[in-house]
Amino acid sequence: NAGVMQNPRHLVRRRGQEARLRCSPMKGHSHVYWYRQLPEEGLKFMVYLQKENIIDESGMPKERFSAEFPKEGPSILRIQQVVRGDSAAYFCASSPKEGQGSPLHFGNGTRLTVT
Amino acid sequence: AQKITQTQPGMFVQEKEAVTLDCTYDTSDPSYGLFWYKQPSSGEMIFLIYQGSYDQQNATEGRYSLNFQKARKSANLVISASQLGDSAMYFCAMRFNTNAGKSTFGDGTTLTVKP
Repeated sequence: NAGVMQNPRHLVRRRGQEARLRCSPMKGHSHVYWYRQLPEEGLKFMVYLQKENIIDESGMPKERFSAEFPKEGPSILRIQQVVRGDSAAYFCASSPKEGQGSPLHFGNGTRLTVT
Repeated sequence: AQKITQTQPGMFVQEKEAVTLDCTYDTSDPSYGLFWYKQPSSGEMIFLIYQGSYDQQNATEGRYSLNFQKARKSANLVISASQLGDSAMYFCAMRFNTNAGKSTFGDGTTLTVKP
């Protein structure tokens, strides 16, 4: 019973390149959340998706960041033209439902380093 | 707006002793869930314990218990009989039925267990 799978675990990009982060939710989970964690800080919400729909992207920067969760395949967080400030750990989480009583199940995160 | 506050950036505890990690929250929503997560140095986020806002009894999970004081809006995590493996970052989080089900996280407390 695989948990939330994120890849790659570590990603190094030069400034101006694109970063693509992948997330496969737990089996049976249709709600996917992306969070960003800067060093020594807590997790900041970025975006919430269900299959083929973005439900809430209020935490996403307006430019360069996009997310999708297609009908088939993993959820993708895309960062275009990366800058040094994008260096962070990006966590994907999934849950079987939206409600308050359901904990988020996290992947191991992707650590993005922009050089 | 919902907010989680963890006032202890770092805590130390002697092995086999109990420790309390503080968490206060601010919300006007009467219905919510409170969660604690553990993040060891390896980076993954591990769900520890859940407390619903309408639960009459404090949640317990093994050595973890949650000291829930609704009127004071606090949800402190108590770890009994600390072990060296408990050394990690601990995050308090809150989730609602509304607000797209996304979770709000505190900035975390780093716990170090001394032998």
